[in-house]
Amino acid sequence: DVKVTQSSRYLVKRTGEKVFLECVQDMDHENMFWYRQDPGLGLRLIYFSYDVKMKEKGDIPEGYSVSREKKERFSLILESASTNQTSMYLCASSPLRGAKGSYEQYFGPGTRLTVT
Amino acid sequence: GENVEQHPSTLSVQEGDSAVIKCTYSDSASNYFPWYKQELGKGPQLIIDIRSNVGEKKDQRIAVTLNKTAKHFSLHITETQPEDSAVYFCAASRSGGGNKLTFGTGTQLKVEL
Repeated sequence: DVKVTQSSRYLVKRTGEKVFLECVQDMDHENMFWYRQDPGLGLRLIYFSYDVKMKEKGDIPEGYSVSREKKERFSLILESASTNQTSMYLCASSPLRGAKGSYEQYFGPGTRLTVT
Repeated sequence: GENVEQHPSTLSVQEGDSAVIKCTYSDSASNYFPWYKQELGKGPQLIIDIRSNVGEKKDQRIAVTLNKTAKHFSLHITETQPEDSAVYFCAASRSGGGNKLTFGTGTQLKVEL
């Protein structure tokens, strides 16, 4: 089974702190993604990476950065946390091309971040 | 960019009834349409997907239909069971776009006994 793990289930940080969210996948997937999930807004893509050291902005990259130094690990960084970044953060991974042309993304359980 | 709209936001059905969730997309180049189910406390999980060269796909009690002309697709769940209660997300993607998905806003489905 594909396993995507996230470093924390719950996290509480103060405004202005630098926050690191870590994600690790064990299936040698090329693609990795960071989303935030908010009620009524669905899942919105923050950043994604299709290879080591490669990254592309998603739909809402402002206030975030990412790092992918190893294929299995994708980190989301909040340079200076703000209260409007309180949210559920979901990491996902997918193969470049799966079986039968599937582009299935495998999600971690999420990190609920509260910024006070 | 792509925009995906999803309706309804909440849906309550009696056990054994059918449930239908509808999505529309804006980018005519999108050609891959997955549906994800998110149970409480878990990440979303793919339940079914369809490509644009297919009009309908079934997997046991779930089916997805796609109307490319109208740019909408729907999820149908028959004989609903309590374990179908969850949040469902539709999504759209261009193949080759780095597997980048644009998600709808989600539907909270509640199956009542």
